[in-house]
Amino acid sequence: AQSVTQLDSQVPVFEEAPVELRCNYSSSVSVYLFWYVQYPNQGLQLLLKYLSGSTLVKGINGFEAEFNKSQTSFHLRKPSVHISDTAEYFCAVSRSGNTPLVFGKGTRLSVIA
Amino acid sequence: KAGVTQTPRYLIKTRGQQVTLSCSPISGHRSVSWYQQTPGQGLQFLFEYFSETQRNKGNFPGRFSGRQFSNSRSEMNVSTLELGDSALYLCASRQSTGQGYEQYFGPGTRLTVT
Repeated sequence: AQSVTQLDSQVPVFEEAPVELRCNYSSSVSVYLFWYVQYPNQGLQLLLKYLSGSTLVKGINGFEAEFNKSQTSFHLRKPSVHISDTAEYFCAVSRSGNTPLVFGKGTRLSVIA
Repeated sequence: KAGVTQTPRYLIKTRGQQVTLSCSPISGHRSVSWYQQTPGQGLQFLFEYFSETQRNKGNFPGRFSGRQFSNSRSEMNVSTLELGDSALYLCASRQSTGQGYEQYFGPGTRLTVT
């Protein structure tokens, strides 16, 4: 079975500073990896996904993530955050296209003006 | 294209009652999944329906059930509600073909059990 660990439950960062949200997964098979964002009182929105190929994946809103198979990590980064990036971010893994997503506990990103 | 819609957005029920939540997927999406989100347990998978058949099931008691209609709309039902069932219930839809299978989430139904 797969599992996902998001190492930081909360990350405060000043506006225009860079940020990295960490995600590690465990799986004995190849997986698909995803990052979702959830704004208050809303559902989840897909930021980016890794299926195969290039290990550096670019997503929406200036976010990117790097898949590292040896470290079983999929950390999310943004070079310069905005106030509007304040939200909860979830890392998720799926064993294949037809299996459910397994989510991490989430990281609350707070951008400080 | 319209997104995933869920109704109602908010519900307050009493212990012991039952509740039905509804989800309309994105047009053309044949798979619908349900997730429960709570502060303590996070996001947990309930079940997935594809072409009116349950394809995957999470580790929830039998009080939680679902179904899918021929137009891909889905409902989930919780019987004999418990206080611990208070949660945000999220529905997600996806296409059944092609690589990626990313899921598109609705805004959720906030269920409060008193």
